[in-house]
Amino acid sequence: SQQGEEDPQALSIQEGENATMNCSYKTSINNLQWYRQNSGRGLVHLILIRSNEREKHSGRLRVTLDTSKKSSSLLITASRAADTASYFCATRAGGTSYGKLTFGQGTILTVHP
Amino acid sequence: NAGVTQTPKFQVLKTGQSMTLQCAQDMNHEYMSWYRQDPGMGLRLIHYSVGAGITDQGEVPNGYNVSRSTTEDFPLRLLSAAPSQTSVYFCASSPGQGRNYGYTFGSGTRLTVV
Repeated sequence: SQQGEEDPQALSIQEGENATMNCSYKTSINNLQWYRQNSGRGLVHLILIRSNEREKHSGRLRVTLDTSKKSSSLLITASRAADTASYFCATRAGGTSYGKLTFGQGTILTVHP
Repeated sequence: NAGVTQTPKFQVLKTGQSMTLQCAQDMNHEYMSWYRQDPGMGLRLIHYSVGAGITDQGEVPNGYNVSRSTTEDFPLRLLSAAPSQTSVYFCASSPGQGRNYGYTFGSGTRLTVV
């Protein structure tokens, strides 16, 4: 079974609003990453947060990580139509499985102009 | 341009045929992985490698083989194609040192098995 579960599965907002996506995972991790995928394209790495970090920022992106709850959230502030895409969380395992990066099922974000 | 190159971009196979999906990266990345993406399923890990000569199974390895004879190349072999293997396949790579790096993805191979 996949490591990450994302919520909501789909999100529709107006340009300028904030978008929040959540990710839960099951086992211990080394880090958690967020990716974006535009329709029909490959994935693009957005941001990485280590297991000993609680919050990280990159431009309009804010990621939080709560290892006690095994959950993370991605906030996109002041969204734009160009942010329309699928967003995936991915977890890098710890221990001997450190080479594995496991993805959730993704959130489809639609930003209306 | 530096990056992950996947070939072919599109492929149609008949049931029972075999083929190799190619993946090459020129960034000297240690880690490489193969994923398949099906509608509503996200990305599922097929096989991965943490360095030349080292490979391991992911979530859905059955029906696929890999090898990693060089740092640059990580081919995925379909032994006997089945309609259930119709999917979009992505190859990705990452620096291994420190483990706290994101993956760079190729543009994908869209495979149809008829």
